[in-house]
Amino acid sequence: SQQGEEDPQALSIQEGENATMNCSYKTSINNLQWYRQNSGRGLVHLILIRSNEREKHSGRLRVTLDTSKKSSSLLITASRAADTASYFCATDGSSNYKLTFGKGTLLTVNP
Amino acid sequence: NAGVTQTPKFQVLKTGQSMTLQCAQDMNHNSMYWYRQDPGMGLRLIYYSASEGTTDKGEVPNGYNVSRLNKREFSLRLESAAPSQTSVYFCASSNNQPQHFGDGTRLSIL
Repeated sequence: SQQGEEDPQALSIQEGENATMNCSYKTSINNLQWYRQNSGRGLVHLILIRSNEREKHSGRLRVTLDTSKKSSSLLITASRAADTASYFCATDGSSNYKLTFGKGTLLTVNP
Repeated sequence: NAGVTQTPKFQVLKTGQSMTLQCAQDMNHNSMYWYRQDPGMGLRLIYYSASEGTTDKGEVPNGYNVSRLNKREFSLRLESAAPSQTSVYFCASSNNQPQHFGDGTRLSIL
């Protein structure tokens, strides 16, 4: 069963615009991560936010976490065509090893 | 900077054939994982190995076996392939978090 669910399933924007993707999950977590997957490639880790953190930044990425609502958002600012990819959230639940991935958001950034 | 290497990249099998997918990592990670990715389903964990010498079932282990050959290598075996196992298979490794992924094996079973 999927722990995380991303919303929207697909998002199409113009270069330079901001993109926001959301993730909801069901059980308590230690941390939540976001990964990117380019077409035909493996997943690449973007950012990890711990359950006691509310916001984290990395370059053009901003992640928020609301444990009371069991939700997270990923904001990509000033998007570029190279940001076109699928984005997945992943939660660890009670395990240090196992991640549960959502179904992903397909982001298309048009030049 | 090889990271996680999966072989083969593509494979077509007939129903009932057996096959082993290979995965090797050069990052000295303790934990390794096998996932499958199906359209619209995200990634689902098949098996994982928390450390050398241990393996555990994930969410969808039926029809698969694994071997943690040494710290670097973690193989996935399909003993009798079924069309339902057509998928893209990803191997990953980590020391705790985050996980590092290979580029996948695209497997079709006819």
